[in-house]
Amino acid sequence: DQQVKQNSPSLSVQEGRISILNCDYTNSMFDYFLWYKKYPAEGPTFLISISSIKDKNEDGRFTVFLNKSAKHLSLHIVPSQPGDSAVYFCAASARNTDKLIFGTGTRLQVFP
Amino acid sequence: DAGVIQSPRHEVTEMGQEVTLRCKPISGHDYLFWYRQTMMRGLELLIYFNNNVPIDDSGMPEDRFSAKMPNASFSTLKIQPSEPRDSAVYFCASSFGGLDTQYFGPGTRLTVL
Repeated sequence: DQQVKQNSPSLSVQEGRISILNCDYTNSMFDYFLWYKKYPAEGPTFLISISSIKDKNEDGRFTVFLNKSAKHLSLHIVPSQPGDSAVYFCAASARNTDKLIFGTGTRLQVFP
Repeated sequence: DAGVIQSPRHEVTEMGQEVTLRCKPISGHDYLFWYRQTMMRGLELLIYFNNNVPIDDSGMPEDRFSAKMPNASFSTLKIQPSEPRDSAVYFCASSFGGLDTQYFGPGTRLTVL
């Protein structure tokens, strides 16, 4: 049973536009959420995180939004750049645990 | 720092053979995680260690899988005997503090024929 779901396996966006990647979760105990980015033949790298006490966290072109009532988070990339083309993984963890539960990933392609 | 080091990068083996994947975490990190990536299930946590002690192995799929961490700078994931459905990319990651940023290695792509 997937506790963290990324229902869009792929997304294609034009350079300069906004990319919105979505993630849903089912476990109400989750209180910390992260996004990782993965390029081919490399391991995932940390991108941005958010605690459940906040509903938004921004880092440069990347913003993560959390809607606890809907159990939904999203990653906004604006403006999108070709170098952002990668697979993006959403991850979540519950308080008092040290492990992350990852989604299946969304492949983002940014074209010129 | 060289980052998390995994070996081999690619492994092709035949069904029934033993496979050993290796990982060297970042020096000073006290957590080590083993993940498996497949198209259907994404990144699955198999097992993690804290200060070389296994904490949670609930993600290990079967008794055919085992992991050890004999010291702070080395860990192995072993599959014996291997099966075609074990084909995946296996990642090792380390962190300082459990929920601190996890640093992933480049992965080992395993193909079992």
